[in-house]
Amino acid sequence: GAGVSQSPSNKVTEKGKDVELRCDPISGHTALYWYRQSLGQGLEFLIYFQGNSAPDKSGLPSDRFSAERTGGSVSTLTIQRTQQEDSAVYLCASSFRGSQYFGPGTRLTVL
Amino acid sequence: SQELEQSPQSLIVQEGKNLTINCTSSKTLYGLYWYKQKYGEGLIFLMMLQKGGEEKSHEKITAKLDEKKQQSSLHITASQPSHAGIYLCGAANFGNEKLTFGTGTRLTIIP
Repeated sequence: GAGVSQSPSNKVTEKGKDVELRCDPISGHTALYWYRQSLGQGLEFLIYFQGNSAPDKSGLPSDRFSAERTGGSVSTLTIQRTQQEDSAVYLCASSFRGSQYFGPGTRLTVL
Repeated sequence: SQELEQSPQSLIVQEGKNLTINCTSSKTLYGLYWYKQKYGEGLIFLMMLQKGGEEKSHEKITAKLDEKKQQSSLHITASQPSHAGIYLCGAANFGNEKLTFGTGTRLTIIP
């Protein structure tokens, strides 16, 4: 497709389980971002990949969160030992020359 | 850290009327993005402003950047039901593209 895609669209998990969220950016976009949107915190930056540079992880809330980007394209955000406060919509964006385009998000619910 | 304040938080407008949403930054703006979000969906990119005094328009939506006031405004002319949603402003930080977002303005259009 032409836009950023994310999977799954919804994920319900039990507290303590690990989850993986996937992002397929727009082809040719060199930068990829993960954000989290929750009721109490609004939209927060998590991590940023730019080309082959080391990712900017400054927004990750704890060491339970990690992300990788393989081959400069698809990215996976992993949350280990999920907690209820991790419940949120996780949004991925990709950009080329500045304009960031967002995917539909993954709604994560931790029971 | 940079903070963005949007006003108003909520806006109810009669169809056909004009409206303005403001976004004020606590720090110098190096790039200002406007997005629209509908419930359960990702963010739709509207416009990006980079230079002081810059003004961009797309269909009936116009955005301006006042660098000196560290503020941007989004103006919708002759509002339509399709304009309803949450409008978010996002600001880029100097030297990188990770965005800080405002808390959003919920726009409701009534017939």
